Order: sequence, then structure tokens, then C-alpha cells
Amino acid sequence: GQNIDQPTEMTATEGAIVQINCTYQTSGFNGLFWYQQHAGEAPTFLSYNVLDGLEEKGRFSSFLSRSKGYSYLLLKELQMKDSASYLCAVREMGSWGKLQFGAGTQVVVTP
Amino acid sequence: DAGVIQSPRHEVTEMGQEVTLRCKPISGHDYLFWYRQTMMRGLELLIYFNNNVPIDDSGMPEDRFSAKMPNASFSTLKIQPSEPRDSAVYFCASSYEGLAGAVTGELFFGEGSRLTVL
Repeated sequence: GQNIDQPTEMTATEGAIVQINCTYQTSGFNGLFWYQQHAGEAPTFLSYNVLDGLEEKGRFSSFLSRSKGYSYLLLKELQMKDSASYLCAVREMGSWGKLQFGAGTQVVVTP
Repeated sequence: DAGVIQSPRHEVTEMGQEVTLRCKPISGHDYLFWYRQTMMRGLELLIYFNNNVPIDDSGMPEDRFSAKMPNASFSTLKIQPSEPRDSAVYFCASSYEGLAGAVTGELFFGEGSRLTVL
């Protein structure tokens, strides 16, 4: 199984940058996902990393280091609507589609 | 295109009653997942299906929980009898495998069923 750790909460100012770290332990890594979840809503897919390096999608970027069991999600030019929980999830080899989620990081964006 | 459809969106019931949650996955998806989310335990995988066959039900809490997928477009999660500790948001999600390396396999979640057991 996996052990996934991410901070509980982070606060940042509108227009700033926030980096959410995620560390994991797994017996056979096969991909890392980031999801965004607004209060009372379903999680929605943000990004996917399976190889080391940085993936950029507009204001959001995600980085992966498989050797370190580490990923981060970078949110740039923060907007009020970015206030949400951000979930890190890991997939293991041999279990396509089955994701183990971290507890989530609540990001609060202040004016 | 319609996303994952869940019903009911909200259910309030009394302890001991049977609860049935329903899910229609995205057409063409061959994986279906049932997750439960609470403040204390976060998002937990209960069971998942591949091509209508249960693959891993190790997350099902106990015998009071059961899930079925009679066809590719419908699944149910049943709790009988329900208990107050079952109160949570239950999410259904679907995904598809496709050719290796061609798709990421991200999950598409339904809006969830918020269950309150009194």
C-alpha cells in the first residue's frame, strides 16, 4: 500500500504563488495525480505525472521525483476561486485506475 | 457529454434502515469506483470494478456494505442495516484504460451522495 503525506492547510495572498508538497511511499509506483476539490463538490482532475520532471498547465504546474517519492503542485497568480482542497493521489503498478488519496491540503486565498 | 451520475444527492435515514446508492458511469468507461469521504478519514476507496467484475473490495468496511454492477451502465452500493457512523459523502467515479501509455487513467467523479444516518 501507500503512505501519502501532505500539509493540512496553507494560506496565501491573491496573486501570490503557493507550493503544495506531497510525499509518498509505495511498493510499485505507476503515476501521481493532483485533484482539486471545492467545498461540497466532487474532486476534479488537475494534473498527472508518471515520469520525473515538471508538467505545466496554465497557472498550475506539477513536479515529480520518483527517486525521492516526492511531488509538488505549484499554483501561480492565485485567485480567490483557487481556495479549495488539493488532493495528491498515487497509483500502484498492477492496479490501473485504483488511486490512493492523501488527506488533502486546504488552500485559503486571502485578498 | 454526461458525466458520472449519482442518486440520490442527499439521503437522511434512521439507523437500521437500508440505504441504496446508485451510479451511472460515463459511457465507454470500463472501471467504476466507489469512494467514501469523511472529515476524519478523507477519501477512502471502498470497492472497484473492471468490466463489471469486482476487482478489489478490501476497503468495504464490513458485511453491512455490498456493491453490484449488473451491467456497464449501472452500479449500486447498499448499506444494510445503516448506522450513524456510515454518515459520509459517497462518491462514484469511472475511468477507462485504453492503450498503455495513451491515457492517464484519471478518475471522473460524480457529484456524490451525502448520507446522514440518524
